Amino acid sequence: GAGVSQSPSNKVTEKGKDVELRCDPISGHTALYWYRQSLGQGLEFLIYFQGNSAPDKSGLPSDRFSAERTGGSVSTLTIQRTQQEDSAVYLCASSSGTSMSEQYFGPGTRLTVT
Amino acid sequence: DAKTTQPTSMDCAEGRAANLPCNHSTISGNEYVYWYRQIHSQGPQYIIHGLKNNETNEMASLIITEDRKSSTLILPHATLRDTAVYYCIVREYGNKLVFGAGTILRVKS
Repeated sequence: GAGVSQSPSNKVTEKGKDVELRCDPISGHTALYWYRQSLGQGLEFLIYFQGNSAPDKSGLPSDRFSAERTGGSVSTLTIQRTQQEDSAVYLCASSSGTSMSEQYFGPGTRLTVT
Repeated sequence: DAKTTQPTSMDCAEGRAANLPCNHSTISGNEYVYWYRQIHSQGPQYIIHGLKNNETNEMASLIITEDRKSSTLILPHATLRDTAVYYCIVREYGNKLVFGAGTILRVKS
């Protein structure tokens, strides 16, 4: 079946503008995660959604970052007033939601803030 | 939170077994060891996970020491396509994965 998809694949924006990144998880997966990866760095956890529970936002770096998940499926990560340090690849993953199930990652969105 | 330590990089000859070590001396009893890899410009890919018994699937084998303080990922017959960054992760409560720097595996012909 289809894997995790993300759009856009690339986004270039000017400093100070807002951006929205989209993630379509695997159908039926109840858990959804956002990570980011700066150039040459490891992955950094941002936020986690599990079913109808309150999301784990502990990884969001500032209040300019927010995410929502509508209808338990598609998720949107929003970055307001983008800064150059926000430039990174933003990765989304989903899993079936059981406590130890593996996560399946999308191809990522490469965000460049100029 | 349990942390992992991996070598920065390793080389392996094509067709030979690649053995990637990982130390996780502070692992707790209910934490699993997971391995993911990331090929250049792609999202991470799940490889295998285990608790205390050795595990094998179509991609790799995972050997966990009896005291669970270390493990080894084995790719039995490495190919050029296995060149990637390999991440050893101890799974935290709440399902999020904490990625370290990983090991850069270079498979050479």
